[in-house]
Amino acid sequence: SQQGEEDPQALSIQEGENATMNCSYKTSINNLQWYRQNSGRGLVHLILIRSNEREKHSGRLRVTLDTSKKSSSLLITASRAADTASYFCATDAEGNFNKFYFGSGTKLNVKP
Amino acid sequence: NAGVTQTPKFQVLKTGQSMTLQCAQDMNHNSMYWYRQDPGMGLRLIYYSASEGTTDKGEVPNGYNVSRLNKREFSLRLESAAPSQTSVYFCASSEETGGAKNIQYFGAGTRLSVL
Repeated sequence: SQQGEEDPQALSIQEGENATMNCSYKTSINNLQWYRQNSGRGLVHLILIRSNEREKHSGRLRVTLDTSKKSSSLLITASRAADTASYFCATDAEGNFNKFYFGSGTKLNVKP
Repeated sequence: NAGVTQTPKFQVLKTGQSMTLQCAQDMNHNSMYWYRQDPGMGLRLIYYSASEGTTDKGEVPNGYNVSRLNKREFSLRLESAAPSQTSVYFCASSEETGGAKNIQYFGAGTRLSVL
């Protein structure tokens, strides 16, 4: 079974609003990453947070990590139509930190 | 700067045919990966190569073989294609496996249909 699962599966908001996506995982991790995928394209790395970090910022992105709850959230502030994409969390996993597991994604639609 | 290049972009096969998906990266990365993505789902790891000369199974290796030809190239072979292998295949590379150097860079994907 997959290591990471995102919630919600789909999210529709107006331009200017904030978007929050959540990710849960099952085992201990070294780090957690978030990726974006535009329709029909490959994935693009957004941000990495290490297991000993609790929060990280990059531009309009804010990621939190709660290792006690095995969960992470991605907040996109002041969303734009160009943020419309699918967002995936990805982690390594206890037992084999060389392997990489992606969640099933949150499909974000930002309406202009 | 090409990054990760996959060929072909599209392919249609008949059941039982074989084919090789090619992947090359120009970032001098040590690690390379093959994933498949089925509709509405995340990516599942098929095989990975932590470094030149090594390959290991991922989550869904059955029906596939890989070759790390050199540091730049990592190919995925379907020996006898099945309809269940209809998917979009992505190649990725990273500086290293594990840890903070495992930021992955993806190719544009190969859309494969097996009839």
